[in-house]
Amino acid sequence: RKEVEQDPGPFNVPEGATVAFNCTYSNSASQSFFWYRQDCRKEPKLLMSVYSSGNEDGRFTAQLNRASQYISLLIRDSKLSDSATYLCVVKRGADGLTFGKGTHLIIQP
Amino acid sequence: DADVTQTPRNRITKTGKRIMLECSQTKGHDRMYWYRQDPGLGLRLIYYSFDVKDINKGEISDGYSVSRQAQAKFSLSLESAIPNQTALYFCATSDRRETGELFFGEGSRLTVL
Repeated sequence: RKEVEQDPGPFNVPEGATVAFNCTYSNSASQSFFWYRQDCRKEPKLLMSVYSSGNEDGRFTAQLNRASQYISLLIRDSKLSDSATYLCVVKRGADGLTFGKGTHLIIQP
Repeated sequence: DADVTQTPRNRITKTGKRIMLECSQTKGHDRMYWYRQDPGLGLRLIYYSFDVKDINKGEISDGYSVSRQAQAKFSLSLESAIPNQTALYFCATSDRRETGELFFGEGSRLTVL
């Protein structure tokens, strides 16, 4: 089982819709979790951290389920500018970050 | 100006050539990383350095070497490039707080013929 797994998509979603995608991780010792966003031909950038209690940043909501070892990202009222690849990222102690392969999201007008 | 700068941004080379990718940062971070990104494989860690005297192998270090010349500079070398090293290479930095935030350079696209 891969350490961090994501559905690669693409997810084609009409503008204004709500979209959610999940990520699963295999190592129960993982300590910290993040979502990064990567635009086409650009570098990845941190979108948000994921906390055990769940957290929200504007239209974006991240959830963590440690028992089932999955992380989710919900985007409400999607905008054309949300089109990107979303990378699920897991951290274990000082070992650095492990990136999922990403979920490709396309918002259609 | 970008906080994390990579040079060159694009390079085409031939099998067997020595290639160096350079990274410099103005963020004052101690930690620096080299990743490669391939379609369908995601980002994979090649080497990382937590300070000037600390170098660590990542997931896929074979065929690569690094040098941390100063706190702000971290270079990646391919001693004898091969075609399967064709990829997009990213340098990244982070501070000591282990917040999980990496700051990436814009990437260096390397093609080995």
